[in-house]
Amino acid sequence: DAKTTQPNSMESNEEEPVHLPCNHSTISGTDYIHWYRQLPSQGPEYVIHGLTSNVNNRMASLAIAEDRKSSTLILHRATLRDAAVYYCILRVDYKLSFGAGTTVTVRA
Amino acid sequence: DTGVSQDPRHKITKRGQNVTFRCDPISEHNRLYWYRQTLGQGPEFLTYFQNEAQLEKSRLLSDRFSAERPKGSFSTLEIQRTEQGDSAMYLCASSLEEDGANVLTFGAGSRLTVL
Repeated sequence: DAKTTQPNSMESNEEEPVHLPCNHSTISGTDYIHWYRQLPSQGPEYVIHGLTSNVNNRMASLAIAEDRKSSTLILHRATLRDAAVYYCILRVDYKLSFGAGTTVTVRA
Repeated sequence: DTGVSQDPRHKITKRGQNVTFRCDPISEHNRLYWYRQTLGQGPEFLTYFQNEAQLEKSRLLSDRFSAERPKGSFSTLEIQRTEQGDSAMYLCASSLEEDGANVLTFGAGSRLTVL
């Protein structure tokens, strides 16, 4: 499976933006970049995905490097409810392979 | 749309007993997945169904594990002769084949504790 590398943890202050980096140097041309998050005691939740272009939705923005070897998930204004583990995943065909993710802590 | 439902949410059993988990996916979703998650780790893929056909099984799915999806609707995951190492959260997810992004919707999980 194609691999991603994320920092183990990040801290942010409430109402400030959060930039979560992800390295995926072995990405192939057809691999989609997916982000999911998992709040405590819940199943993972879809956040956003992209292939080549930057993407925005109501939850976050996804900035993809021109060479596609890295991407950044941007939470524009962190709230306490954004405290979760964020997973960066390369989707190959129908399956998602999760790594350990980045634990985001939001300080009030 | 009630999302993906899993039952039971928590199960405590003694080593050697059999347990069964049920997953009800989103009704129009024809793809169904089982994952296992241990503390501090990301979910690990176990198996995948497209409609009623089980198309892939991870090597993590030992002979003691069996999953079914009769009629392509709900699914069950049975663990026979449970071991303490089976203690984990078992997550079910579903998706729609026609969705090019193949976004997975997960249930809240079934937490298994084997004593």
